[in-house]
Amino acid sequence: EDQVTQSPEALRLQEGESSSLNCSYTVSGLRGLFWYRQDPGKGPEFLFTLYSAGEEKEKERLKATLTKKESFLHITAPKPEDSATYLCAVRSTQGGSEKLVFGKGTKLTVNP
Amino acid sequence: DSGVTQTPKHLITATGQRVTLRCSPRSGDLSVYWYQQSLDQGLQFLIQYYNGEERAKGNILERFSAQQFPDLHSELNLSSLELGDSALYFCASSPWGSGSGDNEQFFGPGTRLTVL
Repeated sequence: EDQVTQSPEALRLQEGESSSLNCSYTVSGLRGLFWYRQDPGKGPEFLFTLYSAGEEKEKERLKATLTKKESFLHITAPKPEDSATYLCAVRSTQGGSEKLVFGKGTKLTVNP
Repeated sequence: DSGVTQTPKHLITATGQRVTLRCSPRSGDLSVYWYQQSLDQGLQFLIQYYNGEERAKGNILERFSAQQFPDLHSELNLSSLELGDSALYFCASSPWGSGSGDNEQFFGPGTRLTVL
């Protein structure tokens, strides 16, 4: 069964304290790994798509990387406005139809 | 603002009742996706429609159904509601049917359903 596991469930950082979020996945033939950001009471917002091991993408203080078994979301010198839940998803074709399978997310809190 | 609208924002109802959630996709997007988000299960894919046709199905209960109309808006119907159906329901849209592009999905603000 295609699965996504994110760790840690919650992470508290001080402003400027860099860290990484982990997304481990099992999928039959990776056809895309996605990172989304979700603020409380709002819908997820797309951040990145990665397709192959070794690929990296950056956006402001965020950098996403991909290996054959996991992806990391690196946060460099975070600010309080980076506080959100970060969701990882893989594109799955299990069951005969294509869909995104999401992890449960990592809730990031950045304290000033 | 993603450009995806959902109504209503909040819905409180009783067990056994039926409700309809509405979604208007971004202008030009042909695909609409429905998701359920609960604290214990996370974000779960329910169903996708592309240009009026059902394209993909996830863990959608038989008590739930959806449709996409000619103007591309979509409705999710939930019937015989149970306490466990209380959750956030998100609609997302994208220009693509499947597998192409970055498959970026644009999510609406959600409908919070409370079943008492």
